[in-house]
Amino acid sequence: DQQVKQNSPSLSVQEGRISILNCDYTNSMFDYFLWYKKYPAEGPTFLISISSIKDKNEDGRFTVFLNKSAKHLSLHIVPSQPGDSAVYFCAASPTNFGNEKLTFGTGTRLTIIP
Amino acid sequence: DSGVTQTPKHLITATGQRVTLRCSPRSGDLSVYWYQQSLDQGLQFLIQYYNGEERAKGNILERFSAQQFPDLHSELNLSSLELGDSALYFCASSVPANTEAFFGQGTRLTVV
Repeated sequence: DQQVKQNSPSLSVQEGRISILNCDYTNSMFDYFLWYKKYPAEGPTFLISISSIKDKNEDGRFTVFLNKSAKHLSLHIVPSQPGDSAVYFCAASPTNFGNEKLTFGTGTRLTIIP
Repeated sequence: DSGVTQTPKHLITATGQRVTLRCSPRSGDLSVYWYQQSLDQGLQFLIQYYNGEERAKGNILERFSAQQFPDLHSELNLSSLELGDSALYFCASSVPANTEAFFGQGTRLTVV
């Protein structure tokens, strides 16, 4: 039972354009959501997070939107840069303690085309 | 470099065997997390330790066990290995649980 779903295994975006990565979840107990980025042969690195009490969080080029009623979140990257090419994982936690019992999606491979 | 060190990087072993994966967290981090990533799967949370005590448990098999030592390094023990245990095993650490977690590069386990 995949509680966190990333339905797009891959996405290609032109450099300079907006990249939108989507994530859906089924467990209404999730309270905290995170996005991680992973390069080959490296561990995931934290990108941005959002608490369930918010609907938007922004950090530079990265913005995460949360729609609790739809159980959907998205990561927007504007403008997209070649270094953004990586696998992006969405993750959710049932607690406000960010990293506890994280459930990850299967990832979306983002390719930025120069 | 995240500051989290996992050894070994690669491990090939036979079915039925037992292996130990090691994780050294970032200096000062009290929480250690273990994750398993099988082919084309997301990371599955296995277990979390906080300052030597088990804090949270995920989908960890009974054949698997872990511990965190007084120096805060952690070991994940996998026994009676099966082909399906082949995966990338990641360790992560954070100061308390609600700050950014840093992941190691992972240990790739291949069971043949």
